[in-house]
Amino acid sequence: AQSVTQLDSQVPVFEEAPVELRCNYSSSVSVYLFWYVQYPNQGLQLLLKYLSGSTLVKGINGFEAEFNKSQTSFHLRKPSVHISDTAEYFCAVSDRGAQKLVFGQGTRLTINP
Amino acid sequence: EAQVTQNPRYLITVTGKKLTVTCSQNMNHEYMSWYRQDPGLGLRQIYYSMNVEVTDKGDVPEGYKVSRKEKRNFPLILESPSPNQTSLYFCASKLADGGYNEQFFGPGTRLTVL
Repeated sequence: AQSVTQLDSQVPVFEEAPVELRCNYSSSVSVYLFWYVQYPNQGLQLLLKYLSGSTLVKGINGFEAEFNKSQTSFHLRKPSVHISDTAEYFCAVSDRGAQKLVFGQGTRLTINP
Repeated sequence: EAQVTQNPRYLITVTGKKLTVTCSQNMNHEYMSWYRQDPGLGLRQIYYSMNVEVTDKGDVPEGYKVSRKEKRNFPLILESPSPNQTSLYFCASKLADGGYNEQFFGPGTRLTVL
């Protein structure tokens, strides 16, 4: 069975500062990894995904994530955040070939002007 | 437009009053799933369905029922709601052809049980 741990429940940063949201997973098999974003009062939107190949994955809105198999991590980064990035971010894992997504607890990103 | 729709979007009810949250998708997806989202717990799967008439429990199925009589619809039924089922509920769907396919989420249903 897979599990996902998001190490920070809340991350406050100043506008135009860099940010990293941390995600660690556990699984005994090869996995797919995802980051979803949930803007206030909205549903979930896929930000980026790792399926295979290059360990650095680029997503929408300038976000990127790096898959590190040895550390079982998939941290999300953005070099310069905007007020509009204020949202909750969820890391998720899926067993290859399975349909189920297992989510982390979520990280609330707050951007201060 | 390809989408997953849920109704109602907001619902306040009382303990014990049966309710149904509908979910419909227009993408001919085989797989559909229900999640609940609670602060500090992320999203947890309630039930899922691999196809018509095929449903199975997720991680938190207690107190919920589902049915899949048609491919496009996957209603979530709370026979006797309790306050601990106050939550934000999401329906999702995806193709299930063995490879990777993106899971699409509905807009959510915020349920309050008094």
